[in-house]
Amino acid sequence: KAGVTQTPRYLIKTRGQQVTLSCSPISGHRSVSWYQQTPGQGLQFLFEYFSETQRNKGNFPGRFSGRQFSNSRSEMNVSTLELGDSALYLCASSLVIGAAYEQYFGPGTRLTVT
Amino acid sequence: QKEVEQNSGPLSVPEGAIASLNCTYSDRGSQSFFWYRQYSGKSPELIMFIYSNGDKEDGRFTAQLNKASQYVSLLIRDSQPSDSATYLCAARNTGKLIFGQGTTLQVKP
Repeated sequence: KAGVTQTPRYLIKTRGQQVTLSCSPISGHRSVSWYQQTPGQGLQFLFEYFSETQRNKGNFPGRFSGRQFSNSRSEMNVSTLELGDSALYLCASSLVIGAAYEQYFGPGTRLTVT
Repeated sequence: QKEVEQNSGPLSVPEGAIASLNCTYSDRGSQSFFWYRQYSGKSPELIMFIYSNGDKEDGRFTAQLNKASQYVSLLIRDSQPSDSATYLCAARNTGKLIFGQGTTLQVKP
């Protein structure tokens, strides 16, 4: 079974631009979560989507948004980029069976804002 | 106070020894707990999850959970140089995974 895929893997943008990142979850997984990882702040939760609905949201400004499509693929958008948005953006897909919950990460998108 | 706390390390152990990684969490509503391993430049890889008090073993790895003490640990038996990585502890509550800052483990040959 294929793992979580993310595109693009690397991205360089300029301050003020916007960016869209894409994530395809593991087949059969309906939940997709996004995280930002930086050396200073570690792994921080951005949001989670399930069946095309945002189910949870972290403490990030409104410049960070996302959506999920009917095939469970998800996109994340960051508008008006700031230097501090430079980070590794990780997508994770989750499978919930009863009380069991397993979350698997994709390879990430390394975003550099100059 | 951070919701999930880990000692950043580095924790250094000789090859073949037991590595013990610890994690505490502040939210008593946390329902399940996860250990991830992250190699430099790579994404986190799920090692184990645990929901119930006590021990859970998987190969060389044992996760321990004590909800009364709000404490989770990961033991790695027969540590190998290939185990050298950052180990992330996460707690799940209301659907979100909250991660600790991670502990760097160095296994020396």
